[in-house]
Amino acid sequence: QVQLVQSGAEVKQPGSSLWISCKASGGTFSNSTVNWVRQAPGRGLEWMGGYIIALFGTTHYAQNFQGRVTITADKSSSTAFLELSSLRSEDTAIYYCARSPFGDLSSWFDAWGQGTLVTVSS
Amino acid sequence: EIVMTQSPATLSVSPGERATLSCRASQSVSNNLAWYQQKPGQAPRLLIYGASTRATGIPARFSGSGSGTEFTLTISSLQSEDFALYYCQQYYNWPPLTFGGGTKVGIK
Repeated sequence: QVQLVQSGAEVKQPGSSLWISCKASGGTFSNSTVNWVRQAPGRGLEWMGGYIIALFGTTHYAQNFQGRVTITADKSSSTAFLELSSLRSEDTAIYYCARSPFGDLSSWFDAWGQGTLVTVSS
Repeated sequence: EIVMTQSPATLSVSPGERATLSCRASQSVSNNLAWYQQKPGQAPRLLIYGASTRATGIPARFSGSGSGTEFTLTISSLQSEDFALYYCQQYYNWPPLTFGGGTKVGIK
């Protein structure tokens, strides 16, 4: 059973960029898709985008984040990365990586990272 | 974008009773629907996929049904560890993948 371990909590200044890692253990990402989902305080789940590892790194992003978000992955280390730029206070949230078991976005999330709390504040 | 709407927002149930949670899609998602459970301070956990297939290790008291636009998650006899937030998610049409707003199941 794959487990996903994310990097630690961060405090960021408005206008700066965020970079979070997500490493798979007990398995790999090889034939799957890595997604990033965020949850603002007291709010629901919001999908940000996905990286289809099996398709040479094809990415799809939610329109809400287009131009600000980049998702990448390093197959050799089974690690995925989220970069979010031009941070604002509304980006304060817990960010989760989540794996879809197939090389396709038409799938559920069968493994989740523990979450990374990001606080955007001056 | 497919909008997922869950009802009720809050459900109060006594231990041992049945809980029925609803999820409606703004257009058909066929059976491409998953359910997740989230407890305070924890990441979501997959319960159901394909609208009705239990994920590995999920107890049989959890069951999912429905297709098209109307879906139901039933917890047949609530245990203390089942009091949590529940989310539905469609993966039929993307981007974006979308979640419902959640149903909080609390102790009556």
